[in-house]
Amino acid sequence: KQEVTQIPAALSVPEGENLVLNCSFTDSAIYNLQWFRQDPGKGLTSLLLIQSSQREQTSGRLNASLDKSSGRSTLYIAASQPGDSATYLCAVRDYGQNFVFGPGTRLSVLP
Amino acid sequence: DTGVSQNPRHKITKRGQNVTFRCDPISEHNRLYWYRQTLGQGPEFLTYFQNEAQLEKSRLLSDRFSAERPKGSFSTLEIQRTEQGDSAMYLCASSPTGATEAFFGQGTRLTVV
Repeated sequence: KQEVTQIPAALSVPEGENLVLNCSFTDSAIYNLQWFRQDPGKGLTSLLLIQSSQREQTSGRLNASLDKSSGRSTLYIAASQPGDSATYLCAVRDYGQNFVFGPGTRLSVLP
Repeated sequence: DTGVSQNPRHKITKRGQNVTFRCDPISEHNRLYWYRQTLGQGPEFLTYFQNEAQLEKSRLLSDRFSAERPKGSFSTLEIQRTEQGDSAMYLCASSPTGATEAFFGQGTRLTVV
């Protein structure tokens, strides 16, 4: 059974810092991995999708990497801003086409 | 197309009542997913449709829960005889066929009192 963990559970940083969020999964047989952002009480907003054959994806200040063999992905946020404050979730899509989510990292960027 | 739409956004119900939620996926997305999320946790898979066929159900989906997707368009999730433990955010997502990006709705927050 696929299990996804995320470290750290919570992170508080001053504005402007670069930061890294970590995601680990137990079964490397995945179709893809997707990073989401969730604001309090809201749904999920897709940030980046990495296919299993890819190593990384970039969008603006965000960069996500995937090392399928070691079961790890990282989300790098450059020059963090208070508007980046949210919970960040990673999800792996398995061969059953379902998504298995991690518990999330709660990020707070202080002005 | 404005994305995945879920209604209602909030629902408060008394224990023992039945509730139904609706999800309208992005047009032409043939895959539709339901997830449940409790406070401080990641979403947990409930069920998944490919067009109108319900292909998989989680063990979380007890016999009080039923989901349908008639004609492969919108979907409904019904909870019968609600319990306080059913209080959660219910999320719907859709995606096209293949290993592609999934898009989530804003969710329906259910509170059972």
